[in-house]
Amino acid sequence: DTGVSQNPRHKITKRGQNVTFRCDPISEHNRLYWYRQTLGQGPEFLTYFQNEAQLEKSRLLSDRFSAERPKGSFSTLEIQRTEQGDSAMYLCASSLAAGPMDSPLHFGNGTRLTVT
Amino acid sequence: KQEVTQIPAALSVPEGENLVLNCSFTDSAIYNLQWFRQDPGKGLTSLLLIQSSQREQTSGRLNASLDKSSGRSTLYIAASQPGDSATYLCAGDQTGANNLFFGTGTRLTVIP
Repeated sequence: DTGVSQNPRHKITKRGQNVTFRCDPISEHNRLYWYRQTLGQGPEFLTYFQNEAQLEKSRLLSDRFSAERPKGSFSTLEIQRTEQGDSAMYLCASSLAAGPMDSPLHFGNGTRLTVT
Repeated sequence: KQEVTQIPAALSVPEGENLVLNCSFTDSAIYNLQWFRQDPGKGLTSLLLIQSSQREQTSGRLNASLDKSSGRSTLYIAASQPGDSATYLCAGDQTGANNLFFGTGTRLTVIP
């Protein structure tokens, strides 16, 4: 168990640019989640995948945001035409869902995005 | 929309004290509930998971309980240590899919 890995750790970009983050979940986990956290707040749910299928998207996930998990392993989160309000920590998490029982969520250390 | 309140927002205690952190949900229909700790600049570490059929979980010096009738949860930390200093977050989901609603956390400082 090497944990959830996120890259890059930090990203500084200018307003209007596109950015892409990557998440590698724990290998046997079939569920992968993206959350966003701003300073002093708890994380907010963005979207989740079960294997390669994106099963739920939050209203927070505007048209400028897109997430993929093409082979049911790693995932990418892309933000197009970034805005200053997108500045936040983007957290990825994974879990193993087996029947009615879920494992706890395991979080990565996040990607901190700063839009100037 | 589900709102999660954590009380107190910050807590400072001397080492060795027992303490209780509180969490409440506006909608008491909670499926799973988790408690996490977060160290500055880091991701979240899961502490305890209370599954839908459970009411309580214990791990070492930590005990979490969930009252589904009221939508309230407590995290009890026994014999606190300086290494327990962190922000503690509670989170619940309503569908079993782990799309969690988080509180804003309780920042705990344990003074040696």
